[in-house]
Amino acid sequence: GEDVEQSLFLSVREGDSSVINCTYTDSSSTYLYWYKQEPGAGLQLLTYIFSNMDMKQDQRLTVLLNKKDKHLSLRIADTQTGDSAIYFCAAVGNDYKLSFGAGTTVTVRA
Amino acid sequence: DAGVTQSPTHLIKTRGQQVTLRCSPKSGHDTVSWYQQALGQGPQFIFQYYEEEERQRGNFPDRFSGHQFPNYSSELNVNALLLGDSALYLCASSFWGSYEQYFGPGTRLTVT
Repeated sequence: GEDVEQSLFLSVREGDSSVINCTYTDSSSTYLYWYKQEPGAGLQLLTYIFSNMDMKQDQRLTVLLNKKDKHLSLRIADTQTGDSAIYFCAAVGNDYKLSFGAGTTVTVRA
Repeated sequence: DAGVTQSPTHLIKTRGQQVTLRCSPKSGHDTVSWYQQALGQGPQFIFQYYEEEERQRGNFPDRFSGHQFPNYSSELNVNALLLGDSALYLCASSFWGSYEQYFGPGTRLTVT
């Protein structure tokens, strides 16, 4: 099955940009996602990118996909305290089953 | 427009017992998927239901079973509970064939 890996922690100063990285193993992955999870809550779909794209921008969020290296990143511009959460990278192939990484805990410091 | 809802919010059970968790999909969605999220880990796919049938299954034992009703809502049943079944159980809904899945808030199951 698909393996998805992420770095576990990221600390960023308020107002700076955050970059969260992810790698995946299955080259047939069709869509790649970023989900956000706040304490005690479910998963919020932030954005996703189709595998034939290399970039997608949505307000403060920019997703970059390097399909050759199977590397996905999420950039959050002007990081705010409300961005403190766990961010999950996920991939899906033709079977529609989401495979998640272990999550990156982002801490925003003043 | 209600999003995905799950009940109960929290549940405490004893080893060996059985549990049923419930999920109502986002309005209009016809497909429900269940995930198990152990503490400190990412969610793991359990199974997916569409047209009242299990369509996909992850690497979970037969103790985990499910059901989908004609109104698209779904139940997850776990028999013979083990301590290791303690986790947040997440339900996600989508249109069949869509790659966008929307998650509910989850049910926190604690097995003692």
